[in-house]
Amino acid sequence: AQSVAQPEDQVNVAEGNPLTVKCTYSVSGNPYLFWYVQYPNRGLQFLLKYITGDNLVKGSYGFEAEFNKSQTSFHLKKPSALVSDSALYFCAVRQAGTALIFGKGTTLSVSS
Amino acid sequence: DSGVTQTPKHLITATGQRVTLRCSPRSGDLSVYWYQQSLDQGLQFLIQYYNGEERAKGNILERFSAQQFPDLHSELNLSSLELGDSALYFCASSVVAGTPTDTQYFGPGTRLTVL
Repeated sequence: AQSVAQPEDQVNVAEGNPLTVKCTYSVSGNPYLFWYVQYPNRGLQFLLKYITGDNLVKGSYGFEAEFNKSQTSFHLKKPSALVSDSALYFCAVRQAGTALIFGKGTTLSVSS
Repeated sequence: DSGVTQTPKHLITATGQRVTLRCSPRSGDLSVYWYQQSLDQGLQFLIQYYNGEERAKGNILERFSAQQFPDLHSELNLSSLELGDSALYFCASSVVAGTPTDTQYFGPGTRLTVL
């Protein structure tokens, strides 16, 4: 069965510091991995996805994610955090023909 | 703005009642997905339609049903509502169905409160 784990409920960083939100996955076959962000009282916004190719994927708002097959991880990163990045972040996995399976989410809090 | 619209934004109703949630996909998207977000279950896939046909089912209760109309909008019907059905219901759309590169774009959601 496919699954995604986000081991941290909350990540706290200071503005200007680099941030990492962790995600590990378990699938049979090729993984197709996604990151979404949810701001309060808003829907999920697509940030980036890994399908194949380069292990470093660049996405919206300066975010990037590193795919590591040996560690079955897909961590979300940003070199310099902004207060406006504070939100709930979801990692998701999808195999061809199926819907998204989401992790439980990680709350990112960026302090000024 | 993702281009996916959902109505209503909020819905408050009583146990035992029936409600209908509506979703309009992005222009050109043929596939619609419904998800439920609750505190205890997280984000869970309910059902998918592609060009009017049911394509996949997830953890959808028998009291819930959905359909996709010829103009591609979709409705999620929830009946015999229980307190535990209170949640945020999201609709997402994508161009096709089942293609790994396909990105799902989410609407703003409908918050359902069952009293």
